[in-house]
Amino acid sequence: EVQLVESGGGLVQPGGSLRLSCAASGFTVSNYYMSWVRQAPGTGLEWVSIIYSSGTTYSADSVKGRFTMSRDTSENRVYLQMNSLRADDTAIYYCARLPGTYFDLWGLGTLVTVSS
Amino acid sequence: DIQMTQSPSTLSASVGDRVTITCRSSQIISNWLAWYQQKPGKAPKLLIYEASSLESGVPSRFSGSGSGTEFTLTISSLQPDDFATYYCQKYDSSSPSYTFGQGTKVEIK
Repeated sequence: EVQLVESGGGLVQPGGSLRLSCAASGFTVSNYYMSWVRQAPGTGLEWVSIIYSSGTTYSADSVKGRFTMSRDTSENRVYLQMNSLRADDTAIYYCARLPGTYFDLWGLGTLVTVSS
Repeated sequence: DIQMTQSPSTLSASVGDRVTITCRSSQIISNWLAWYQQKPGKAPKLLIYEASSLESGVPSRFSGSGSGTEFTLTISSLQPDDFATYYCQKYDSSSPSYTFGQGTKVEIK
């Protein structure tokens, strides 16, 4: 079955770090663009970061310098390393696949809460 | 940055109604515009990509149109399963970046 499963979310203090993981099945992550999209409670969707099939990464200005996306082809997983977390990073983080300029497959999401 | 404006923010409609949601871009974005449906507690679901292409498995009552700076999602005959929030999403090759509209909540009238 083609699916994405996120893990690694939880409660973290401001200034702390967390690493999210996204396990893919039914397809090879290195053959696609892969991305993270987040949704703060009661709000809309915000693109966070992308890794191209070439391995090149880009991030939104709101997380640039704090979040880093990576990929493990042997595990068929992508990751989001989040450092210097702030209260406004609190959100559900979705892993998503892009066959082009749009997101065609989404995981169920993992909740990150930044609070003291 | 290219700005996206989605309207309306909320829409009240009845089963069987024709529903139209609009996204306007501050600059021409070619046809790199997609539409998603999201239900409470669920991940978004792709409906339309490249402005007018229907994703496999999505009912034909959903359609997308437009080009340049104005794009529309139309539901030809609203069904009970369609009450949800809808988002547009654009791709900007200059950054690159992927930006979502503010969302339109379709409620029961």
